[in-house]
Amino acid sequence: NAGVTQTPKFQVLKTGQSMTLQCAQDMNHNSMYWYRQDPGMGLRLIYYSASEGTTDKGEVPNGYNVSRLNKREFSLRLESAAPSQTSVYFCASSGQRVASTDTQYFGPGTRLTVL
Amino acid sequence: AQKITQTQPGMFVQEKEAVTLDCTYDTSDPSYGLFWYKQPSSGEMIFLIYQGSYDQQNATEGRYSLNFQKARKSANLVISASQLGDSAMYFCAMRESTWGTGFQKLVFGTGTRLLVSP
Repeated sequence: NAGVTQTPKFQVLKTGQSMTLQCAQDMNHNSMYWYRQDPGMGLRLIYYSASEGTTDKGEVPNGYNVSRLNKREFSLRLESAAPSQTSVYFCASSGQRVASTDTQYFGPGTRLTVL
Repeated sequence: AQKITQTQPGMFVQEKEAVTLDCTYDTSDPSYGLFWYKQPSSGEMIFLIYQGSYDQQNATEGRYSLNFQKARKSANLVISASQLGDSAMYFCAMRESTWGTGFQKLVFGTGTRLLVSP
């Protein structure tokens, strides 16, 4: 049971290049999320998928697109990378709440640098 | 809109002492949940403790306790008997009420970096 996995762990891009960050969860969770973490800013929600087949914008969606490929996988795409997108990206998932303490489970993160 | 404020960018504590990390929140929703996460230098987000808005008692989990003052809208994390391994970033987060679904929208504070010295 791997939980939430993300690939790659590290990536360096040049301005204008595109790439896709992959995320998968094996907990049969309905909801998945993409966050970015910048120094002094905490985690900010980019996009989320409340259930398979749906995606919605979060707080900072500009410059990103997402695909909920199936229940397990949720990818984040940067079509034309910019230096402002240098950040650490976290994927998370959450399942049906059966207890108040149920929360999101986070992947290990992807450290992206755009030159 | 919901908001979480962590006013302490950094905190220092000596090993074996207790430390309090501050968190205040703002919401108009009467039903909400508050979380604390730890992020060590390795980067992963580790769930520590949860407090529900209707919980009568302050949450405790081992050396972690949450000082919940609803009228003041504060949810401070108390770490007792600090250990060197407690050195990390700590994030406070708030969840909107989402009973019956798997969807949870979390709003995070900016974090507090805790350094525990020998």
